[in-house]
Amino acid sequence: EVQLVQSGAEVKKPGESLKISCKGSGYSFTSYWIGWVRQMPGKGLEWMGIIYPGDSDTRYSPSFQGQVTISADKSITTAYLQWISLKASDTAMYYCVRKIPASGTGFDYWGQGTLVTVSS
Amino acid sequence: DIQMTQSPSSVSASVGDRVTITCRASQGISSSLAWYQQKPGKAPKLLIYAASSLQSGVPSRFSGSGSGTDFTLTISSLQPEDFATYYCQQANSFPYTFGQGTKLEIK
Repeated sequence: EVQLVQSGAEVKKPGESLKISCKGSGYSFTSYWIGWVRQMPGKGLEWMGIIYPGDSDTRYSPSFQGQVTISADKSITTAYLQWISLKASDTAMYYCVRKIPASGTGFDYWGQGTLVTVSS
Repeated sequence: DIQMTQSPSSVSASVGDRVTITCRASQGISSSLAWYQQKPGKAPKLLIYAASSLQSGVPSRFSGSGSGTDFTLTISSLQPEDFATYYCQQANSFPYTFGQGTKLEIK
């Protein structure tokens, strides 16, 4: 069974760093792109970026380039989303997603979400 | 970036109704479009990929059509569990982008 299991909720202060995780199982982790999607409270979905764990090829949305870092450790089938210095505006639910391999398709599996709260 | 515009932003309908949601891309994306359903407090769920392919396990009352810039999601006969928010997403080129969402409410 394919699963994406994310790390638990986080409460942080502005300026702190954070790395959240997404562990994939039940499939060949290195053969599928893994992405991250943000959902701010009461708002829609925003695509942040994506990584191909097989070769670490990473693409970012211009809106998030330089604001976050996406990485993956294929030895433990885990993808990461990292912030160096959090802002209150980073408060949101973050989902990791697996992309269907064929071009032009979507995300067939979603993690359960990690709620990040940034507040002084 | 390719902009995705959904309409309407919200719609009220009754059980048994036929509902259509549209999604327009700011430039042609061939058939590289997906539709998702999200219920409150839950992760989104893939319904349709490649504009018209039904994801495994999704009821056949859901269908998608379109290519180029104009796409539709149709629910042929609304069921109580279909009241949710629906998003389109283009998967033609990075950065992948979502529509703003359509909230389907009970009339």
